[in-house]
Parts: sequence; C-alpha cells; structure tokens
Amino acid sequence: QVQLVQSGAEVRKPGSSVKVSCKASGGTFSNYGVSWVRQAPGQGLEWMGRIIPIIGIANYAQKFQGRVTIAADKSTSTAYMEVRGLTSEDTAVYYCAREFNAGVTIPGSWFDPWGQGSLVTVSS
Amino acid sequence: DIQMTQSPSSLSAFVGDRVTITCRSSQSISSYLVWYQHKQGKAPKVLIYGASSLQSGVPSRFSGSGSGTDFTLTISSLQPEDFATYYCQQSHSIPWTFGQGTKVEIK
Repeated sequence: QVQLVQSGAEVRKPGSSVKVSCKASGGTFSNYGVSWVRQAPGQGLEWMGRIIPIIGIANYAQKFQGRVTIAADKSTSTAYMEVRGLTSEDTAVYYCAREFNAGVTIPGSWFDPWGQGSLVTVSS
Repeated sequence: DIQMTQSPSSLSAFVGDRVTITCRSSQSISSYLVWYQHKQGKAPKVLIYGASSLQSGVPSRFSGSGSGTDFTLTISSLQPEDFATYYCQQSHSIPWTFGQGTKVEIK
C-alpha cells in the first residue's frame, strides 16, 4: 500500500522560496499523476498543480503559473513543489496526493492517498 | 475553469439525522465528481468517486448521486465521527477544482 511522506514544517520570510518534498513509501507513483493541494487558515482546499512523473509533464492552476514549479524524480519516487516570492497569503498546509484512477470502468481520477501535509509559515 | 459551488456552506445536525449536501458545476462534468471528508489536522479522505461509487472502507451510510451539473452527497444517519468539512471536486478537466466546502457541525 503506497503512502506519501512529506517533508516537515518550514518557516520562511516574505520574498523567499520554499521547496516541499513528497516521497512514495511502500511503492512508487507508477503511471499516476501527483497533485499538490493547499489549505490556508480558515480557507478551503485549493488545487495548485500536478505532474505525471513517468513523463515529467506538469500542469498548473493559472493562479500559480510562473511562481510554482512542480517536479519529480522517478528514481526515488519523490515529487517536489517549490513556491517562489512567498507572501503571508502563502501560509498554508500543503498536501501532495496521488491521482488514482480505476481505468475505463470508472470515470475520472481521485486523490488517494494523500501525504500528511506540510505547514509552511511565511512571516517576517 | 470549471467552478464548483456547494450548498450549504455549513449546517448543524443531530446524531442520527439524514444530511444532504449539494454540489453544482458551472458546466457539465458527466460523472467526474469526487467527494472528500476533511477533519482538522488530518489529510482529506475520499468518500465517493465517479459521482456514486463508494470508496472501499467507507461506511455505507455515505452515498453519492447525480450527473451532468448537479450532485448530492447524502449521509443517511449522521454519526459523531462524521462531523467534518466535506468537499466536492471535479475530475473532468484540468485545472481540477474543489467546491468551497460544507462544514457539518453537531447540534
């Protein structure tokens, strides 16, 4: 059973960058995508972007295009998400999640499993 | 982008109540709809995928229905462990998008 293990909490100053990792434990990402989702304090879930590690192609929400980079290392089954130009509004818990699907029998994909979350605090 | 709108934003209910949460998409998404349960300090958990398929291990009191633009999550008999925030998410087209969430509280 694959588990996703994320890196620990980070504190950053405004204007700096942060890189969060997500390692597949007990398996690999296989052919599935890996998404990054964040939750700011008091807010809902927000999809940031995804990568399909086997082919290395990433997609981003328009809001994060140009400021976020998502990458993956197939050899270590680890995905990474870097946010640049941090502001206080980037203070959030960041989750990675595998985009699982059941093939042609069930439409679409869903996020399962999820990492445990990584708290990023941006403060001067 | 496909916008997802949930209602209500919050609700209060008694243990044992039947609870219904609705989710509407800004364009047709067929059955590309997922429901998650999210508790404070934990990762979200998938309840329903493909609009109506129950995830393995999820109690049968949870059910999902709908297709096109209108979807429903029903909890047939609310249990104490069900108090959480529920999100719908469309998996029809990127960017994947979530509803704003429905917080279910104890009355």
